[in-house]
Amino acid sequence: RKEVEQDPGPFNVPEGATVAFNCTYSNSASQSFFWYRQDCRKEPKLLMSVYSSGNEDGRFTAQLNRASQYISLLIRDSKLSDSATYLCVVNENSGYALNFGKGTSLLVTP
Amino acid sequence: DAGVTQSPTHLIKTRGQHVTLRCSPISGHKSVSWYQQVLGQGPQFIFQYYEKEERGRGNFPDRFSARQFPNYSSELNVNALLLGDSALYLCASSRGTRDQPQHFGDGTRLSIL
Repeated sequence: RKEVEQDPGPFNVPEGATVAFNCTYSNSASQSFFWYRQDCRKEPKLLMSVYSSGNEDGRFTAQLNRASQYISLLIRDSKLSDSATYLCVVNENSGYALNFGKGTSLLVTP
Repeated sequence: DAGVTQSPTHLIKTRGQHVTLRCSPISGHKSVSWYQQVLGQGPQFIFQYYEKEERGRGNFPDRFSARQFPNYSSELNVNALLLGDSALYLCASSRGTRDQPQHFGDGTRLSIL
């Protein structure tokens, strides 16, 4: 079983739609959580850190449920420029490595 | 301020050769990590260095090695290249604590013929 699992998609949504991505992780000792965004053939870029209390950054909302070992990302009012692969990332307490999911592909269409 | 810089951008090698990839972290960052990303997968952790010491190693063969220099820059070396080593090699830097996110360079795209 992979340590971080995501639905690979693709998610095809129209502009203005709300879309949610989910992610589960297997190590209950995991301490830090992030969402990264990766455009085609580019490097991953930090979208936001994820905190237990949930956090919001403009149109983006991230939630963490430690009991269920579940992380989510909600994008409201989707823009064409949101089209990318969204990577769920977990940093375990036992080490410093980032564990990446395979990524969820999003395509926002006009 | 400059971000994480990696060189070269692209590289073509043949099987059996070796390669050295270079990375300069963001100013003030003392930790450098290396990741391998093959098409359709998320990045896979190879190494992390902090203050010139190896702090973590992923599940990669001994053909992969790395080091960090006093100025916190880093090199990743891969010997006896195999076709399966073709990938995007990403370097990331951070301040070094677990809660700090890592920031990635543009990567080196390595192709093995």
